[in-house]
Amino acid sequence: EAQVTQNPRYLITVTGKKLTVTCSQNMNHEYMSWYRQDPGLGLRQIYYSMNVEVTDKGDVPEGYKVSRKEKRNFPLILESPSPNQTSLYFCASSPTVRTTYNSPLHFGNGTRLTVT
Amino acid sequence: RKEVEQDPGPFNVPEGATVAFNCTYSNSASQSFFWYRQDCRKEPKLLMSVYSSGNEDGRFTAQLNRASQYISLLIRDSKLSDSATYLCVVNTPGYSSASKIIFGSGTRLSIRP
Repeated sequence: EAQVTQNPRYLITVTGKKLTVTCSQNMNHEYMSWYRQDPGLGLRQIYYSMNVEVTDKGDVPEGYKVSRKEKRNFPLILESPSPNQTSLYFCASSPTVRTTYNSPLHFGNGTRLTVT
Repeated sequence: RKEVEQDPGPFNVPEGATVAFNCTYSNSASQSFFWYRQDCRKEPKLLMSVYSSGNEDGRFTAQLNRASQYISLLIRDSKLSDSATYLCVVNTPGYSSASKIIFGSGTRLSIRP
C-alpha cells in the first residue's frame, strides 16, 4: 500500500532532550516536507526536500533539523526541544512540485508532540 | 495580505443543504490548485484538484477563476460525514523549477441533522 509513515504518533518529552520523528514514503517521491499545525495558525512548513541531499528551510525552521540521505526517508530532528515546539507535526510527500505538474501532497498520519 | 485566504467559518448548515466556500490567492502566477479535507486531529487528505475548466466529483464541484484569483468548492446535498475542515492549497512558482505549496488556514464546516 502506497503511504507515508510517521513515527511515533504521540510523544511526550522534556525540554532539552533530543528527539527524532521519522518519516518514510514508499512511493519513490522526489519531494518531501515537514509541517506543524497549531490552532489558529494552520499548516506551516518547517523544512522541505526536493530530492536526495537537497533540503531547504520553510517558513518556521528555527529549532529543527532535517536530513535526506535516502529518497524514502526524511527525519525531523529537534536537538533541544522547547515547550513552544509542542504541536501536531505532519510529514508529506509528492512526486514533484515543479509547477508544470499537478502533483498533490500525500500526508503521514501525524505526530502529536508535547514538550514539558 | 496573506498569500492564500479562506473564510475560517464555521459554516453550520442542515443536512441536505448546498454550501460553497471560496479561497483567494494573491500570486497571479500560481499554477496548481487543490482542495483538501481534514478531520479533527487527523492528516489532510486530498479531496480534489481544481482544473481551469472546473471539475466535478459526485456531490463536489470545484471551480477556478484566474481573472479574480479565487477557487471555490461547492458541496451539494451535504451529509453529516461532510463535517470537517476544508483546506485550500495553491502551488506557486518559486526559485528555478521549484514551486511553493501554500495552505489556506481552512474553513470549518459542520453539518447538523
